[in-house]
Amino acid sequence: VQLVESGGGLVQPGGSLRLSCAASGFTFNNYAMAWVRQVPGKGLEWVSVISGSGSSTNYADSVRGRYTISRDNSNHTLYLQMNSLRADDTAVYYCARDFTITIYGVLITWGQGTLVTVAT
Amino acid sequence: EIVLTQSPATLSLSPGEGVTLSCRASQNVNRYLAWYQHKPGQVPRVLIYETSKRATGIPARFSGSGSGTDFTLTISSLEPEDFAVYSCQQRSNWPYTFGQGTKLEIK
Repeated sequence: VQLVESGGGLVQPGGSLRLSCAASGFTFNNYAMAWVRQVPGKGLEWVSVISGSGSSTNYADSVRGRYTISRDNSNHTLYLQMNSLRADDTAVYYCARDFTITIYGVLITWGQGTLVTVAT
Repeated sequence: EIVLTQSPATLSLSPGEGVTLSCRASQNVNRYLAWYQHKPGQVPRVLIYETSKRATGIPARFSGSGSGTDFTLTISSLEPEDFAVYSCQQRSNWPYTFGQGTKLEIK
């Protein structure tokens, strides 16, 4: 079982990035998937979650309207489109597998994370 | 939003000692409380979910208890690989939230 994030990097305030998470070793569409972030030196924060079918999503208030979570079950890939980025979005972003096909809220597999830095 | 407060922030202990970590919720989360372990440079992993259920592959020295707003994670006898950051997380209400973490360091 493996989750590999990509797409992080340095972006200016107001800019956009799209994170990807390639999944392998399990039946991707059988699990809800999530993005969780961690500001260096701070605690973890749920960003967004999507059900196995993609029909149900949730967002943290801090990103709602700016971020969009999506998934391509045929290619076993999870995405996070991040727009209107702000300095306080700077964090390591983790992709994670939820416990069941519906949004459950227990993350049983995590990726290594990708760093997003929002700065001029 | 449910706030989870963990205490203490840091603990210095020796291998072989036992430890109990605390997590207090700002409102009732029933038993929808999980614990994660996170080491620098490594992937976080879930230890306990639904307050007291050990995740697959987690050693029996890890146990969880509590209900409502007060929860604990107990490690019966610390192994060298247990020195890490431990975070609690609730799934009772969206947004799901984490505590700020307790760091276990070697004395």
